[in-house]
Amino acid sequence: DTGVSQDPRHKITKRGQNVTFRCDPISEHNRLYWYRQTLGQGPEFLTYFQNEAQLEKSRLLSDRFSAERPKGSFSTLEIQRTEQGDSAMYLCASSLDAGLNTEAFFGQGTRLTVV
Amino acid sequence: AQKVTQAQTEISVVEKEDVTLDCVYETRDTTYYLFWYKQPPSGELVFLIRRNSFDEQNEISGRYSWNFQKSTSSFNFTITASQVVDSAVYFCALSEARGSTLGRLYFGRGTQLTVWP
Repeated sequence: DTGVSQDPRHKITKRGQNVTFRCDPISEHNRLYWYRQTLGQGPEFLTYFQNEAQLEKSRLLSDRFSAERPKGSFSTLEIQRTEQGDSAMYLCASSLDAGLNTEAFFGQGTRLTVV
Repeated sequence: AQKVTQAQTEISVVEKEDVTLDCVYETRDTTYYLFWYKQPPSGELVFLIRRNSFDEQNEISGRYSWNFQKSTSSFNFTITASQVVDSAVYFCALSEARGSTLGRLYFGRGTQLTVWP
């Protein structure tokens, strides 16, 4: 499978617990994005990496959220002390930094439910 | 500020009907890109098309066509002779140019298309 892979696909957690999601981008893609999508809404940007450098973070990314891409390949998104409002689909995307003629390819997402 | 508006929340059609999904955008940038993505029930966003702000030529790909009009800031998507497999949520998105690369995507709220047999 050469697409963007996310793990797990579904996660149910109790409020206050920490969760971590993983994203494996398309192998030659140097850009990696995280988006969050709540029910009935479009995806909202959280953060993105160029190789291992985190270049931009949205205000949506509170201090309970942290993302890493330590070797410029896979990325992890951790949410600490989860809240019910964190329930959403977390989407990862990757792209090749090949100028303006490029597009992001998305994974199938991790659906988080905080109970 | 960048904004994408998809006023149609849900559309239902019967198979073989044509359907147009509307998208209106706002941006102050002169260089920007517009996208359409399809999200089937499996959840993965599937890229359909990218269009840059300097190219207003309409595009046709099989049963899909796109009408980009800068004068009305619209980038509408038409499916001709719709099929049940077209049922999905469709998102319009906008990205600015950040130097020589694209920035983040700004998505609309999506339009749920249901095609009945």
